[in-house]
Amino acid sequence: EIVMTQSPATLSVSPGERVTLSCRASQSISSNLAWYQQKPGQAPRLLIYGASTRATGIPARFSGSGSGTEFTLTISSLQSEDFAVYFCHHYNSWPPFTFGPGTKVDIK
Amino acid sequence: EVQLVQSGAGVKKPGESLRISCEGSGYSFTSYWINWVRQMPGKGLEWMGRIDPGDSYTNYSPSFEGHVTISTDKSISTAYLQWSSLKASDTAMYYCARQRKGLFPYDSWGQGTLVTVSS
Repeated sequence: EIVMTQSPATLSVSPGERVTLSCRASQSISSNLAWYQQKPGQAPRLLIYGASTRATGIPARFSGSGSGTEFTLTISSLQSEDFAVYFCHHYNSWPPFTFGPGTKVDIK
Repeated sequence: EVQLVQSGAGVKKPGESLRISCEGSGYSFTSYWINWVRQMPGKGLEWMGRIDPGDSYTNYSPSFEGHVTISTDKSISTAYLQWSSLKASDTAMYYCARQRKGLFPYDSWGQGTLVTVSS
């Protein structure tokens, strides 16, 4: 089973700041990685897939990078609506398709 | 518009059975896998398993295999997650999510079904 880890667990930031979240896979998953945003009481929403492709309707301030085992989600200028939990998720060839534990981005 | 609509919240006692549903609309139901994801209170996302509505082929996470059953009725574009004997530890929010067949992400999610198991 591929283990996904994320850091940091919590990030306290001010609106307008640049935010970088990290995700690591225990073995190579090529670029088969997605990032999801989840707000309280809501279902997760797809932000990034293929490690770096924004999903439909996702603002350009969200960007993803990486391949293999190391991945990054960057929010260039944090908006108030971006305070949420962010999960990475691999969908590489074989199940189980594990999620990272999440990074909570909250207001400083 | 693509939609996955899940059945309503349920409260059950330990040992009881339960089946929750996920109805897809606005797309070709058999062209996408349906995945089930658990989220325990205040916790992260756990992949439980998936089904191919075209042929009902399933994959399960080892953590859930034998405890839940995933099924589908493609005639009504609906996938199911069921338990034959619930435990208190099954208390969680359950989401369905569609995935284009192949190496693709989960691009649409249901609203979630809250399952509470309590004596």
